[in-house]
Amino acid sequence: GEDVEQSLFLSVREGDSSVINCTYTDSSSTYLYWYKQEPGAGLQLLTYIFSNMDMKQDQRLTVLLNKKDKHLSLRIADTQTGDSAIYFCAERPGGGNKLTFGTGTQLKVEL
Amino acid sequence: NAGVMQNPRHLVRRRGQEARLRCSPMKGHSHVYWYRQLPEEGLKFMVYLQKENIIDESGMPKERFSAEFPKEGPSILRIQQVVRGDSAAYFCASSPKDRQNTEAFFGQGTRLTVV
Repeated sequence: GEDVEQSLFLSVREGDSSVINCTYTDSSSTYLYWYKQEPGAGLQLLTYIFSNMDMKQDQRLTVLLNKKDKHLSLRIADTQTGDSAIYFCAERPGGGNKLTFGTGTQLKVEL
Repeated sequence: NAGVMQNPRHLVRRRGQEARLRCSPMKGHSHVYWYRQLPEEGLKFMVYLQKENIIDESGMPKERFSAEFPKEGPSILRIQQVVRGDSAAYFCASSPKDRQNTEAFFGQGTRLTVV
């Protein structure tokens, strides 16, 4: 199919790790992205990974890429209440100009 | 360096009116993209522009929608004769010329409500 798929909701306790999963569609995508959207706000680019990498770490964020299964994940260590938001994965099909977004995963962090 | 600036943040239009959404890219960015986010959905690509050129409009509805990015001034997304189904958040993103296939930075969006 043409859809980038994500689970809709994830709830974690403060201090735990969060893992948000995404299945993308285009094996020729050169870059894959994670964006964060807080209520009523725009999209904040969190991190991105080049398709020839299988892992990228940036402070509390770890991105894992399984190119064979077209699976991308975002792990947030020591999740805080400020991490509550919607997280979108996106691919750049064929390395072209436009991004194809998933439907977003709403992360809720409970005390 | 200010981010991508969109205005207005919120826009209310009656059915049949015109909506004009503005986007000023980040300083030094010459590539602009418009995306639409329907309620509880992800963003869908609409159009990609460079200064004075439409590069890819494959996501634009065939009628009533148009976009421009003039030599001077912001990019404009124009929706004529709006209908209720046009209610959505419209996001603009920009990229620098040498990284147009890598990074895109988004504005805060314009939330259009058609009543």
